[in-house]
Amino acid sequence: GAVVSQHPSRVICKSGTSVKIECRSLDFQATTMFWYRQFPKKSLMLMATSNEGSKATYEQGVEKDKFLINHASLTLSTLTVTSAHPEDSSFYICSAPSAGGWDEQFFGPGTRLTVL
Amino acid sequence: AQSVAQPEDQVNVAEGNPLTVKCTYSVSGNPYLFWYVQYPNRGLQFLLKYITGDNLVKGSYGFEAEFNKSQTSFHLKKPSALVSDSALYFCAVRDPPTSGTYKYIFGTGTRLKVLA
Repeated sequence: GAVVSQHPSRVICKSGTSVKIECRSLDFQATTMFWYRQFPKKSLMLMATSNEGSKATYEQGVEKDKFLINHASLTLSTLTVTSAHPEDSSFYICSAPSAGGWDEQFFGPGTRLTVL
Repeated sequence: AQSVAQPEDQVNVAEGNPLTVKCTYSVSGNPYLFWYVQYPNRGLQFLLKYITGDNLVKGSYGFEAEFNKSQTSFHLKKPSALVSDSALYFCAVRDPPTSGTYKYIFGTGTRLKVLA
């Protein structure tokens, strides 16, 4: 099946700094990617839809200026957590739909962000 | 608005016994239903989907799910559980084709624990 990678897998940063997380589709093109946030023992919360060549679409309650998304190419989307604070610590997961769109999505392995 | 509910936070089952993880849904129109599994600190892996056709859907790792329209349910099942099935299971519904998006709405997840 198709592969989605994320980098880094784990990051620890100081409060106030910015962190960039990359999501890559390795063997297929993805005009759309999704960013999720998962809290401990909780479900995935969709943060935003990343669209290649246009602005991301954010879900209600997600701060656009806090979580910057850039879909630079058909295989790369980045999520930048700006001025990170401890409450931003979480597990961030990206996904991309299969080529047809109506089959499964392919999920990245996730990035564990810890803000000190 | 579309939604899925997973009423059980955790399900415990003895190895070799059948398992069921429950999911009910609420959608307008035809449902597009999915099951995913997540192992610790990993992304989600696709198990199976229901788009149309037979109500009994067979998926990966011996799992199957039964779509029941009258009960608006899509329970995940396996005839004989393995210890390695222990993981977090998510039911999801996606937007219909008319929405123009591929967004998923996830349930809250059910932790399956298979006891040796």
